[in-house]
Amino acid sequence: DVKVTQSSRYLVKRTGEKVFLECVQDMDHENMFWYRQDPGLGLRLIYFSYDVKMKEKGDIPEGYSVSREKKERFSLILESASTNQTSMYLCASSRQGANYGYTFGSGTRLTVV
Amino acid sequence: KQEVTQIPAALSVPEGENLVLNCSFTDSAIYNLQWFRQDPGKGLTSLLLIQSSQREQTSGRLNASLDKSSGRSTLYIAASQPGDSATYLCAVSGANNLFFGTGTRLTVIP
Repeated sequence: DVKVTQSSRYLVKRTGEKVFLECVQDMDHENMFWYRQDPGLGLRLIYFSYDVKMKEKGDIPEGYSVSREKKERFSLILESASTNQTSMYLCASSRQGANYGYTFGSGTRLTVV
Repeated sequence: KQEVTQIPAALSVPEGENLVLNCSFTDSAIYNLQWFRQDPGKGLTSLLLIQSSQREQTSGRLNASLDKSSGRSTLYIAASQPGDSATYLCAVSGANNLFFGTGTRLTVIP
């Protein structure tokens, strides 16, 4: 069964901390994505990557950075966590090309206090 | 920019009913449309993927249709069960992104 694995289900961090959210996929997918999900706002794209070491900004990249050193792993970094980054973070992957759907991980609920 | 709307926002039905969830989108230039299910506090589970050239897809009790020219999709759930209770999201695929609706929260009452 194909999988996208997010390393943490729940995280609590303090304001100002540097936070790493990890995502690993075992499907050899080229594309990987980070979304955040907030009530009333739906899912919003933070960053995506279509190849190793490549990254593109999504709709809300401010306050975030990403790293993709290996094809299977895509990390989201909160350089200095703030309370308005409290959210559900969802990682997804897909194969390159228009015919393929997205596979999502189980999500990380991050609370910044 | 693509906008995706799902109506209704919430739906409550008795067990055994057939039901339809609606999704509309503003830009018909999509690659595909995907329906997801999300349980509270969990990630998204893909239910059905419809390519832009297709009209419908079926999986078990689920049937999704796509009318690209009118910017509409429906998800039909037959013989609903309490285990179907969840939020259902539709998403349309652009070049490098999925555009999501805000979902329909379904409750199936035993």
